[in-house]
Amino acid sequence: QTVVTQEPSFSVSPGGTVTLTCALTSGSVSTSNYPSWYQQTPGQAPRTLIYNTNTRSSGVPDRFSGSILGNKAALTITGAQADDESDYYCVLFVGSGIWVFGGGTKLAVL
Amino acid sequence: QVQLVESGGAVVQPGRSLRLSCAASGFTFSSYAMHWVRQAPGKGLEWVAVIWYDGSKKYYADSVKGRFTISRDNSENTLYLQMNSLRGDDTAVYYCAKAEAATASNPMDVWGQGTTVPVSS
Repeated sequence: QTVVTQEPSFSVSPGGTVTLTCALTSGSVSTSNYPSWYQQTPGQAPRTLIYNTNTRSSGVPDRFSGSILGNKAALTITGAQADDESDYYCVLFVGSGIWVFGGGTKLAVL
Repeated sequence: QVQLVESGGAVVQPGRSLRLSCAASGFTFSSYAMHWVRQAPGKGLEWVAVIWYDGSKKYYADSVKGRFTISRDNSENTLYLQMNSLRGDDTAVYYCAKAEAATASNPMDVWGQGTTVPVSS
């Protein structure tokens, strides 16, 4: 069974930079996993931030960026703002039509 | 603009069936794959199923395989999720999501607001 792991929680200071990661327990993440990132606040539907590793969704500010760092996918937020305080989820394509979400990272801005 | 509106959520008893719908507008529905994703209360997102743009291929999470069926009606711009043999751990908000392109290997890019399915006796 494929498991995708994310940091359960992270904190960043206002104006600071934070990098959240997304890993596969069974190996390295590559662009062929089409890593994508979603932001969710309580009671709301997810919002797409980044898809296919590093493509920013329409309307997403450029302080959100995606990449592959080593053997993981990464979401970097620069110039963190108070309203960035949310849950962040990654999803990976693991082949045979199957997608797996990570457990999510709760980001605090303080 | 792209809009997805889910419906059909309701309280259902364990072992019973339910069909969810997702009405799409603002894009050429027949050109894009579509996903269902769910979220149990207080938990993270769980991918459920995906269907190709033309309905020719469908894929499911192990947790729902054999019980849930994803389908689409491109003439009606509507996505469906038929859920049979429902269990307590199927209790969740169910989201439909448009894929970034036509086939299953494309991630979700636009999301609906979700519909709630409590499974309870």
